Amino acid sequence: SAVISQKPSRDICQRGTSLTIQCQVDSQVTMMFWYRQQPGQSLTLIATANQGSEATYESGFVIDKFPISRPNLTFSTLTVSNMSPEDSSIYLCSVQGLNYGYTFGSGTRLTVV
Amino acid sequence: AQSVTQPDIHITVSEGASLELRCNYSYGATPYLFWYVQSPGQGLQLLLKYFSGDTLVQGIKGFEAEFKRSQSSFNLRKPSVHWSDAAEYFCAVGQAYGGATNKLIFGTGTLLAVQP
Repeated sequence: SAVISQKPSRDICQRGTSLTIQCQVDSQVTMMFWYRQQPGQSLTLIATANQGSEATYESGFVIDKFPISRPNLTFSTLTVSNMSPEDSSIYLCSVQGLNYGYTFGSGTRLTVV
Repeated sequence: AQSVTQPDIHITVSEGASLELRCNYSYGATPYLFWYVQSPGQGLQLLLKYFSGDTLVQGIKGFEAEFKRSQSSFNLRKPSVHWSDAAEYFCAVGQAYGGATNKLIFGTGTLLAVQP
């Protein structure tokens, strides 16, 4: 299965600032997914990122708040913009591998103060 | 709409005892079903998946799960729990498009504690 490198692994940020999370995959993949896991909760899909097209956002998530880049088939970034304490979460990227298995990065633990 | 329900928020078992974690799904077609485990401070690791064939699926770390269409369930089992199994377990259903699945819907998770 694919190996995903996600960074930073954690960060503490001031409210009103932005953080960009990077996700690097060791093989070419068509789709990359970004999830949010709020404290004590399950994972919620933010958006799906295809190379060469605009990301597709789920209900409740907007591009201005969570802009995504997908410059090639092995890399994507998610930016959390104008952060507030409510954005404190774990953010994970994921890719679909062979036989419908999904691989996840180790996550970025974000704390907004 | 597709959904996944994990009725048990928290379960405690003794080491060596058997384990069953429940998962029910709501989905219009044949689902693609997954179990993931998340250890503290770690990402998600795939335990097993089902998308066709034998309804009893074997996974890693001695886990298995059985797909029961009539009950819309995909319960995870392990005959003898080890202390290292303490973690949070997530059931997920894959939403299929054109023969492939391209996003996952997760349940709320079950936190497993293991007593010595």
